[in-house]
Amino acid sequence: AQTVTQSQPEMSVQEAETVTLSCTYDTSESDYYLFWYKQPPSRQMILVIRQEAYKQQNATENRFSVNFQKAAKSFSLKISDSQLGDAAMYFCAYRSADFGNEKLTFGTGTRLTIIP
Amino acid sequence: GAVVSQHPSWVICKSGTSVKIECRSLDFQATTMFWYRQFPKQSLMLMATSNEGSKATYEQGVEKDKFLINHASLTLSTLTVTSAHPEDSSFYICSARDEGGHRAFFGQGTRLTVV
Repeated sequence: AQTVTQSQPEMSVQEAETVTLSCTYDTSESDYYLFWYKQPPSRQMILVIRQEAYKQQNATENRFSVNFQKAAKSFSLKISDSQLGDAAMYFCAYRSADFGNEKLTFGTGTRLTIIP
Repeated sequence: GAVVSQHPSWVICKSGTSVKIECRSLDFQATTMFWYRQFPKQSLMLMATSNEGSKATYEQGVEKDKFLINHASLTLSTLTVTSAHPEDSSFYICSARDEGGHRAFFGQGTRLTVV
């Protein structure tokens, strides 16, 4: 079974600074997808960024980028120019690429606080 | 973008009664939907995978007779918490994957309180 570990229960960053959230995972599969989701106080899950394991290039979405290290099974999220609206719980998630096994396995989350 | 609507957003019920939660994909067909449970300050735990036209697949430890799932159409899955007890109080979230895509879209969640 796959597991996802987020070792930082809480993180804080000054507004406009950069912060990196850590995520490691364990799997025996070679093809899979990794995600970062944001859950603000409304509790609506919002997709931040997605990475396909077969792609070596790190995904980027505006101020959000990942450092995907497949061999190390590491998938960190970097948020640049942090904004107050970035404050939320962030969950790292894993999904198999196998058809029919598309459930998401989530980490325990990191609560990000933005300091004005 | 694809939208998943979950209803109700919150519900309070008496112990022993049943509660139905609906999850609808508004602008796409979803052959598979997922139901998660989230306790306060914890992560999302998958309860079951809902498959259109067939029985749901439950995760280990989830009582299928207590958490009834029906996926009768390509746009609607329902979760019924039967004979609810206070320990069933939680936040329930559904998600659906759009056909041909690799994204999971989440409903707004339902906060269930059993008194």
